[in-house]
Amino acid sequence: AQTVTQSQPEMSVQEAETVTLSCTYDTSESDYYLFWYKQPPSRQMILVIRQEAYKQQNATENRFSVNFQKAAKSFSLKISDSQLGDAAMYFCAYRSYEIIKETSGSRLTFGEGTQLTVNP
Amino acid sequence: NAGVMQNPRHLVRRRGQEARLRCSPMKGHSHVYWYRQLPEEGLKFMVYLQKENIIDESGMPKERFSAEFPKEGPSILRIQQVVRGDSAAYFCASSRLAGGQVQYFGPGTRLTVT
Repeated sequence: AQTVTQSQPEMSVQEAETVTLSCTYDTSESDYYLFWYKQPPSRQMILVIRQEAYKQQNATENRFSVNFQKAAKSFSLKISDSQLGDAAMYFCAYRSYEIIKETSGSRLTFGEGTQLTVNP
Repeated sequence: NAGVMQNPRHLVRRRGQEARLRCSPMKGHSHVYWYRQLPEEGLKFMVYLQKENIIDESGMPKERFSAEFPKEGPSILRIQQVVRGDSAAYFCASSRLAGGQVQYFGPGTRLTVT
């Protein structure tokens, strides 16, 4: 079974600065997807960024980028030019690539989350 | 294009009562996933359904919990004889394809058992 670990329960950053959130995972699969979701106080789960394991290039979405290290099974999220609206709980998640594995391939496995505070 | 809809947003039940949580997937999506988030924890997978079929229920508690996704209407997560430990946020997500790459989440239903 896959596991996802976020070792930083809380992080803080000054507005306009850069912060990196860590995520490691354990899997025996070679192909999979990785995601970062954001959960603001409204509790709505919002997709921030996704990465396909077979792609070597790190995904980027505006101010959000990832550092994907497949051999190290590491998937960190970098937020540049932090804004007050970035304050939220951030969850790292894993999903198998093989959709033929109907019994387990479709589920998302989440880490425990990192609470990000942005200071003005 | 409306997103995933869940209702009610908040539900209070006394111990022993039944709770019914509803989820309407995004338009064009026929795959639904339910997750539970206990206080101060991450989301945990419960069940994956397609129309009229349960595909993977390995995350569902063996007793009191059931889920369905009928041909017509929303998906329903049913919890019978609720206990205080069932208090949590229940999230529904949907995808267009089987094992669709991206799951889109609803706003969740917060269940409080008194």
